[in-house]
Amino acid sequence: DAGITQSPRHKVTETGTPVTLRCHQTENHRYMYWYRQDPGHGLRLIHYSYGVKDTDKGEVSDGYSVSRSKTEDFLLTLESATSSQTSVYFCAISESNGPGELFFGEGSRLTVL
Amino acid sequence: KQEVTQIPAALSVPEGENLVLNCSFTDSAIYNLQWFRQDPGKGLTSLLLIQSSQREQTSGRLNASLDKSSGRSTLYIAASQPGDSATYLCAVISGGYQKVTFGTGTKLQVIP
Repeated sequence: DAGITQSPRHKVTETGTPVTLRCHQTENHRYMYWYRQDPGHGLRLIHYSYGVKDTDKGEVSDGYSVSRSKTEDFLLTLESATSSQTSVYFCAISESNGPGELFFGEGSRLTVL
Repeated sequence: KQEVTQIPAALSVPEGENLVLNCSFTDSAIYNLQWFRQDPGKGLTSLLLIQSSQREQTSGRLNASLDKSSGRSTLYIAASQPGDSATYLCAVISGGYQKVTFGTGTKLQVIP
């Protein structure tokens, strides 16, 4: 199994509070991704990173920011959580751009009340 | 825009049956196609990766084929077992790292 750890695995928070999810990898892969998974929408890309301090937006990036200060860590921040951000968040990594095999973490379940 | 469809959405079969899961995509200009399984409350586990130059990949009881010209991939599971019960997702990589399109999955139940 790919060495990907997400934390926290479960979190309940209130509307308007900031939330940070962490993805930690031990594979030294260059590319890291944050997805959210919702019933009826499947998996949607939020943000991705192609190197330290190199990040870009995915298809559902509004309300989210990311940071990558080290190869192994990719942080997803919800500056002011809303109920529409209640979801399961998955981190993924790949070794190479495009043709690389994707590996996923176990997910972080976030509930915003 | 790439669209990925998986039919059926759910499938229930008796143990021991051979089965085929389907994945269709609209744009044949793809790099790779990857099959995953997802157990309830868990992450996605990679099963097979087929590169665009390949026609099929095999791992144990699993065989995945790819026909780019027709926009189809199939995942064949031989001698199904209750432990195969999960949701199976296909993902099409048709561009750079941001162009991964997932299907909505087929939920498989194998009945003992």
